[in-house]
Amino acid sequence: DIQLTQSPSFLSASVGDRVTITCRASQGISSYLAWYQQKPGKAPKLLIYAASTLQSGVPSRFSGSGSGTEFTLTINSLKPEDFATYYCQQLNSYPSTFGQGTKVEIK
Amino acid sequence: QVQLQESGPGLVKPSETLSLICTVSGASVRSRDYYWTWIRQPPGKGLEWIGYIYYNGGSHYNPSLKSRVTISVDTSENQFSLKLSSVTAADTALYYCARENQGVMFPFFDFWGQGTLVTVSS
Repeated sequence: DIQLTQSPSFLSASVGDRVTITCRASQGISSYLAWYQQKPGKAPKLLIYAASTLQSGVPSRFSGSGSGTEFTLTINSLKPEDFATYYCQQLNSYPSTFGQGTKVEIK
Repeated sequence: QVQLQESGPGLVKPSETLSLICTVSGASVRSRDYYWTWIRQPPGKGLEWIGYIYYNGGSHYNPSLKSRVTISVDTSENQFSLKLSSVTAADTALYYCARENQGVMFPFFDFWGQGTLVTVSS
């Protein structure tokens, strides 16, 4: 199985901050990577797919980059509604796997 | 508007079989563009992909669960289902159904159900 390691696991930030989350794959996955946001009690919501393509309806302050084994999710100018847990997911090969999550909390 | 809705017992006894159904609206499980997928999330933990079913019955399961999992599709009801046998407390989780969009070069999970909590306990 392809392992995805996110860093950091926990991030404390303020409204207006720029935050970056990294996702590293145990082997190359081209651009078969998606990012999701999950709020407590809710299903994950797709933010980014193909490593850098913004899902329709997702604010442009979210962006993704990377290919191969290293990927980043950046949130520019953090808003109160962005405090949540973020997961990366690889769809290069089955079983599809997820990173362990990064919880973004209010400083 | 695509919607997925999980249903099934919220409590299952150890060694028994967990059975869940996902009802799809706004999309057809007959579509060749999608895989219909189950994912689970133990309380306070991360996401685990369980497997998918394709409209023609083709499927793929997580090797860690493969011996206990069956996913099937009912095109007449526009539903797909999950069966997990010989459950233990480790199978206690929030179970999600989701749609994997395979009609693109780089797939993704674009619609999810709200999730249903299944507790394994006697």
